[in-house]
Amino acid sequence: SYELTQPPSVSVSPGQTARITCSGDALPNQYAYWYQQQPGQAPVLVIYKDTERPSGIPERFSGSSSGTTVTLTISGVQAEDEADYYCQSTDSNGTVFGGGTKLTVL
Amino acid sequence: EVQLVESGGGLVQPGGSLRLSCAASGFTFSNYKMNWVRQAPGKGLEWISYISSSGATILYADSVKGRFTISRDNAKDSLYLQMNSLRVEDTAIYYCARERPKYRSPTAYWGQGTLVTVSS
Repeated sequence: SYELTQPPSVSVSPGQTARITCSGDALPNQYAYWYQQQPGQAPVLVIYKDTERPSGIPERFSGSSSGTTVTLTISGVQAEDEADYYCQSTDSNGTVFGGGTKLTVL
Repeated sequence: EVQLVESGGGLVQPGGSLRLSCAASGFTFSNYKMNWVRQAPGKGLEWISYISSSGATILYADSVKGRFTISRDNAKDSLYLQMNSLRVEDTAIYYCARERPKYRSPTAYWGQGTLVTVSS
């Protein structure tokens, strides 16, 4: 399986915009998904099919895709958004997760 | 409401075996593909196995291939992971996860996980 690469950490101040990238050679041909994981909890899907937002996920979460990179954008970051974020994609061999990005709200 | 409840975790010595279970409720289990995902302490998510709704198609990550076996019993609404030849590096929280076809997501729903500790 291929790899997905994320930055280990991103820091933003409250109210600012956070952008978390995920790079992988197969991303132009496969959908990407994003998960938020709070400490001690199971992951929660926040973006599916590159850009779609599940019901119940705040509008400040959005996704975009360009070539081999997908981006999770959190607009107007709130303290409660501090968490680990993982990208994910699939191919015929299974599912791959990125290494995760810790979002710190300063 | 979709519910997934994992059980069967615990402390096991290196080389030992353990069988995890995932009890599903709130949906027609036999209609959905399932996955196992694990997370080592302080580390990221690692997909380890997939099974189709009928059980006919099974996939494994290279890290567990030949040691772990995924299975399901649709009559009992249950997913299983038989883990043999366990290693210290298999220590992790093990999650079962269900697809959501509308989202094309393989792991839209997650259980709370069960902790497996491999240590002497």
